[in-house]
Amino acid sequence: SQQGEEDPQALSIQEGENATMNCSYKTSINNLQWYRQNSGRGLVHLILIRSNEREKHSGRLRVTLDTSKKSSSLLITASRAADTASYFCYIPLDTGRRALTFGSGTRLQVQP
Amino acid sequence: NAGVTQTPKFQVLKTGQSMTLQCAQDMNHEYMSWYRQDPGMGLRLIHYSVGAGITDQGEVPNGYNVSRSTTEDFPLRLLSAAPSQTSVYFCASSYSKGGNTEAFFGQGTRLTVV
Repeated sequence: SQQGEEDPQALSIQEGENATMNCSYKTSINNLQWYRQNSGRGLVHLILIRSNEREKHSGRLRVTLDTSKKSSSLLITASRAADTASYFCYIPLDTGRRALTFGSGTRLQVQP
Repeated sequence: NAGVTQTPKFQVLKTGQSMTLQCAQDMNHEYMSWYRQDPGMGLRLIHYSVGAGITDQGEVPNGYNVSRSTTEDFPLRLLSAAPSQTSVYFCASSYSKGGNTEAFFGQGTRLTVV
């Protein structure tokens, strides 16, 4: 199944620094989405970028998409301790199957 | 508008017992899914449904049954619980709008099988 693979698996930074995580995929896409999961909670949708977009911003989040390299990056600027979470990318399947499948995610730890 | 509601939040079962995890959504979403998440891992898809009366298997369906008699409800049944089914279970619902599908997740059910 088409799913994104996040990199790195774990990332530890100091509060105020920027955090960058990457997602690679294998086939053509319609859009790519990023989700956050706080410890022990469900996933929360963060941002969606369409295949014809190269960059998108939402608050302190910046997402880029390079369809030629089949990769996306999520940048969190001026990180806060509350950003500590796991981050997952998701690519919707183009077939009739609509269930979301996720990679293992990037575990971000922001040290105060 | 409650979103996706899962019950119970916590459950302890003995090996061999059966139980049903409940999931309900009030957003009239067509698509609903069940996932399990083991410590330090991503989510693995158990079963999903693309509409009332239609279900399909995901990556790890063995030991679980689902049904979708209404749009709102998508219960997950453990037929004979095993320690390997100790996990956190998440239900999700989603809509499809021109191919762009955002998912909404429940808060999870933490299941321990002893």
